Amino acid sequence: GAVVSQHPSWVICKSGTSVKIECRSLDFQATTMFWYRQFPKQSLMLMATSNEGSKATYEQGVEKDKFLINHASLTLSTLTVTSAHPEDSSFYICSARNGVSNQPQHFGDGTRLSIL
Amino acid sequence: SQKIEQNSEALNIQEGKTATLTCNYTNYSPAYLQWYRQDPGRGPVFLLLIRENEKEKRKERLKVTFDTTLKQSLFHITASQPADSATYLCALGWLNDMRFGAGTRLTVKP
Repeated sequence: GAVVSQHPSWVICKSGTSVKIECRSLDFQATTMFWYRQFPKQSLMLMATSNEGSKATYEQGVEKDKFLINHASLTLSTLTVTSAHPEDSSFYICSARNGVSNQPQHFGDGTRLSIL
Repeated sequence: SQKIEQNSEALNIQEGKTATLTCNYTNYSPAYLQWYRQDPGRGPVFLLLIRENEKEKRKERLKVTFDTTLKQSLFHITASQPADSATYLCALGWLNDMRFGAGTRLTVKP
């Protein structure tokens, strides 16, 4: 149980392209979803938290117009990297949680984004 | 400033021994702490949760302790196996927020 599917697993695209990443909870309702960015050998950096039907809450320093997050249903959240540039290349991971804050987060397998 | 420090970037041990990983924090007052396992190129997988009023939690070969006075959690894997090789992340949580440490890469050698 508690499976989170993230798609695509990797994407390579040209600078200036917008890229959409999907995060789905397959067997539970995700009241809250999280988007992280991870650099090699570094910690998960929380980018934003989203609750179903509400606007996402972005962490300090994360541009909300650059990283558009939509959490339209209890099973789907999307992250769109708009007008991506090489410095946006990274490993993006989503997680989903059902219920109160101390419940575990269930992670997708990440999306490796490479911008040429 | 707030910090979450995991003892070392890498830890190598022999199969069968107990691995002990450390998570220290400063300027946080977490209500709970979680441990996750992450394999290369994959998302983290939840292992254990321990609350601030709990001293110890066990699950099969895993044991977690939480000392709010020392501001430290220890994560033990007994009878370690090569399949336990992975990066282990601690995460501190409170209300709707949770922050991760950078992780310790554990290698268990046969």
